[in-house]
Amino acid sequence: AQSVTQPDIHITVSEGASLELRCNYSYGATPYLFWYVQSPGQGLQLLLKYFSGDTLVQGIKGFEAEFKRSQSSFNLRKPSVHWSDAAEYFCAVNTNAGKSTFGDGTTLTVKP
Amino acid sequence: DTGVSQDPRHKITKRGQNVTFRCDPISEHNRLYWYRQTLGQGPEFLTYFQNEAQLEKSRLLSDRFSAERPKGSFSTLEIQRTEQGDSAMYLCASISPATGGYNSYNEQFFGPGTRLTVL
Repeated sequence: AQSVTQPDIHITVSEGASLELRCNYSYGATPYLFWYVQSPGQGLQLLLKYFSGDTLVQGIKGFEAEFKRSQSSFNLRKPSVHWSDAAEYFCAVNTNAGKSTFGDGTTLTVKP
Repeated sequence: DTGVSQDPRHKITKRGQNVTFRCDPISEHNRLYWYRQTLGQGPEFLTYFQNEAQLEKSRLLSDRFSAERPKGSFSTLEIQRTEQGDSAMYLCASISPATGGYNSYNEQFFGPGTRLTVL
C-alpha cells in the first residue's frame, strides 16, 4: 500500500529566507505526486504535481519541487518566503483510481 | 463560482444524532471523492463515485456512514448515530477525465470542507 511521510511537523522560517519541506513516499508503481496548501478552515489548493518528464516541476506562488526516484522523495522548495505563505502543506501520492494518500502535513510559520 | 461547494460549512451536533452533508462538484466532473481530515493529520480517503456508481469504500467507512450520488451530480454523506470520534473536517473533491480516460495525475479540485463537531 502506498504511504507518504512528511518528517517535519512544524517549520519556522524568517520572511525572505528560503524554504524546503520534505516528503518521502512509498508506492510500488510509478508515483504521481502532488503538493497542496491549506489555510485554516479552508480546503486544499494544488501547488504543483509531477507524473513524468523533467524531475524539477514549477508550481504556483513561486514554489517548485524536485522528484528524486532514488531517494523516494519529492521535496518542496521556495527561494524566498512571504508572510502569506504561512499555512499547512500536504504532500500526496495518487493511485490509478485517482484517489490520494496524504502525508500528515507540515505547518509553516513565517517570522517577520 | 464554478468550484466545488460543500454545505454546511460547519455542523455541531450531539452524540447519537444523524447528520448529512452535501457536495456539489464542478459540473463537468463525473468522478467525486470524499475524504476525512482530523486535527493534525492529512486527509484520509473514504469513498468515491464515478457518475452515480460508488466504486470504492475505505475500511474507515463504518456501517454508520453512507454516501450517495443519485443522479451523478451532487453527493451526500450521512453519518448515523454520531460519535465524538466522528468530529473532523469532511472534504469533497472532484476530477474530470483526461483525454483517453482517468489517470493518476488528474488534478483533484477540493471543496472548502464541512467541519463536524460532535458534543
